[in-house]
Amino acid sequence: QKEVEQDPGPLSVPEGAIVSLNCTYSNSAFQYFMWYRQYSRKGPELLMYTYSSGNKEDGRFTAQVDKSSKYISLFIRDSQPSDSATYLCAMFSGGSYIPTFGRGTSLIVHP
Amino acid sequence: GAVVSQHPSWVICKSGTSVKIECRSLDFQATTMFWYRQFPKKSLMLMATSNEGSKATYEQGVEKDKFLINHASLTLSTLTVTSAHPEDSSFYICSVPGTGGAGGANVLTFGAGSRLTVL
Repeated sequence: QKEVEQDPGPLSVPEGAIVSLNCTYSNSAFQYFMWYRQYSRKGPELLMYTYSSGNKEDGRFTAQVDKSSKYISLFIRDSQPSDSATYLCAMFSGGSYIPTFGRGTSLIVHP
Repeated sequence: GAVVSQHPSWVICKSGTSVKIECRSLDFQATTMFWYRQFPKKSLMLMATSNEGSKATYEQGVEKDKFLINHASLTLSTLTVTSAHPEDSSFYICSVPGTGGAGGANVLTFGAGSRLTVL
């Protein structure tokens, strides 16, 4: 079992849809959770960062962490074609800044 | 977070030649930088940790003689792929740890990546 599991997709949705992206993990020591967006042939860029359990909202994006279930989610409201990218979850434990990445979910938002 | 510049963005070379990729931290003095490799539709694979003024720390299975890393200053790390072969073709990305600002402590900022194609 990999430490971080993420469905690679692709996930195809119509413009305006609510998108749910998820990762599960096995290491209970993980405390810091991030979502990165990666456009084709570009480096990842940080979207959301959360510590421990709970929700965090930033514009159309909401990140949720459920440590009891070892499950994190990223919701995108009113999805746009410009949201089409690969979304990588990442996480690390306290004292380390080397994150463990999921393999990424490819999202396609069609007009 | 930090601003990271990576160059070149795309390089094509012949088999047997060496290729150097530069990673610059433009607004932050980085004692540590990370080098990742990414295969198509795969996750990021950490290759090595670049340490300013000392030897890089390589992950298990990464050939240190094949992938030479030099971190000569607080703003520049280089990755040299020596005697490149087609199987070295990949997307190489560097990153810099965060500064503890609004984005959160210890969050990585990535360069734009360098696509290497070895013919």
